[in-house]
Amino acid sequence: GENVEQHPSTLSVQEGDSAVIKCTYSDSASNYFPWYKQELGKRPQLIIDIRSNVGEKKDQRIAVTLNKTAKHFSLHITETQPEDSAVYFCAARNQNTGGFKTIFGAGTRLFVKA
Amino acid sequence: GAGVSQTPSNKVTEKGKYVELRCDPISGHTALYWYRQSLGQGPEFLIYFQGTGAADDSGLPNDRFFAVRPEGSVSTLKIQRTERGDSAVYLCASSHGGLAGVPNEQFFGPGTRLTVL
Repeated sequence: GENVEQHPSTLSVQEGDSAVIKCTYSDSASNYFPWYKQELGKRPQLIIDIRSNVGEKKDQRIAVTLNKTAKHFSLHITETQPEDSAVYFCAARNQNTGGFKTIFGAGTRLFVKA
Repeated sequence: GAGVSQTPSNKVTEKGKYVELRCDPISGHTALYWYRQSLGQGPEFLIYFQGTGAADDSGLPNDRFFAVRPEGSVSTLKIQRTERGDSAVYLCASSHGGLAGVPNEQFFGPGTRLTVL
């Protein structure tokens, strides 16, 4: 079945450094890749997404890259701040069929040390 | 409403009991999803509705789990003969149904924390 692997499970960085989270997906038909941020005790919130027809997307300090051939996609956070500390989830979905079944990775707990 | 709401926020029940979890989606959202999130894991897809119909229920773990959305708005997730392994946070999300190929952001509710003793 569909599967999304996410690494690392925990990531600790110094404030101001960059953080990179990597995911791989198994379903080659996946064509939409959202990233969610979940703070402790709160609901997941979409922070950025990318479609399979582009290789990179940026939004201020956050960027995502996609390698369709390798079925890899990554989240890059630059100039990290303590408020970036949270659990980040990658996900994959095939939207061509009109379906919305989304498969999530297991999450990366990011700690940004001040 | 302003966002997706779920009730109750917490539910403690005994093994073998029946529970119902409710989700109120964002007004106008035709798509509604249920996920289960265990500690330290990502949301696990259970079922999604397009309007009143279950468009994909492939994530429901077994026939003890059932969900309805009779009027295309509020949804109820029903769990029969609960087991300790059902303990988790049950998340609901909603989005515009949209057209095939067009991403539709899913907005999550706060979740219901279910504890089966």
